[in-house]
Amino acid sequence: GESVGLHLPTLSVQEGDNSIINCAYSNSASDYFIWYKQESGKGPQFIIDIRSNMDKRQGQRVTVLLNKTVKHLSLQIAATQPGDSAVYFCAEINTGGFKTIFGAGTRLFVKA
Amino acid sequence: NAGVTQTPKFQVLKTGQSMTLQCAQDMNHNSMYWYRQDPGMGLRLIYYSASEGTTDKGEVPNGYNVSRLNKREFSLRLESAAPSQTSVYFCASSNPYRDRGNTEAFFGQGTRLTVV
Repeated sequence: GESVGLHLPTLSVQEGDNSIINCAYSNSASDYFIWYKQESGKGPQFIIDIRSNMDKRQGQRVTVLLNKTVKHLSLQIAATQPGDSAVYFCAEINTGGFKTIFGAGTRLFVKA
Repeated sequence: NAGVTQTPKFQVLKTGQSMTLQCAQDMNHNSMYWYRQDPGMGLRLIYYSASEGTTDKGEVPNGYNVSRLNKREFSLRLESAAPSQTSVYFCASSNPYRDRGNTEAFFGQGTRLTVV
């Protein structure tokens, strides 16, 4: 079936370094790809999305890259801070936006 | 601004018992969703409601029923709970990009359900 997965289940980075979280997807027909952040005991929070006809989008300290040739999505976090420690999910969305399908997640640890 | 509110926050059920998880949103969103999250896993879509009066199956609908009571409320019912339904359940809402041009879904705090 359709699925969105992640290469790295855990990632540990030094405070101040840049983080790169990767994701592979399988459904070429998805309209958008999204990154969510989930802190312990909370629901996921939207970070950034990218439309399928784009290859890069930047937000505040975050950049999402989309490579449709190899069906790969990445989230780059600049100058990683302790508050960035969380689980990050990539997700894909289609059919007008009604069905968001999540990947397994990557846990990011930020070392002070 | 409460956003998405789920009740209860915690619940323990015996196998075979039934219960309803409640969800309400105050953002006037058209669409609402129920997900489950198993330990160390991503979220899997159980059911969704694209708009008031409609519901559709997601990835893992077996063992669940839903009711879109009105625009604000979307409930999830377990008729006969099983240990395999032990999970954290999240409700979410959004105005899908088809209607509003955005993709963001807003999530509640979750309901931790244990079935023994």
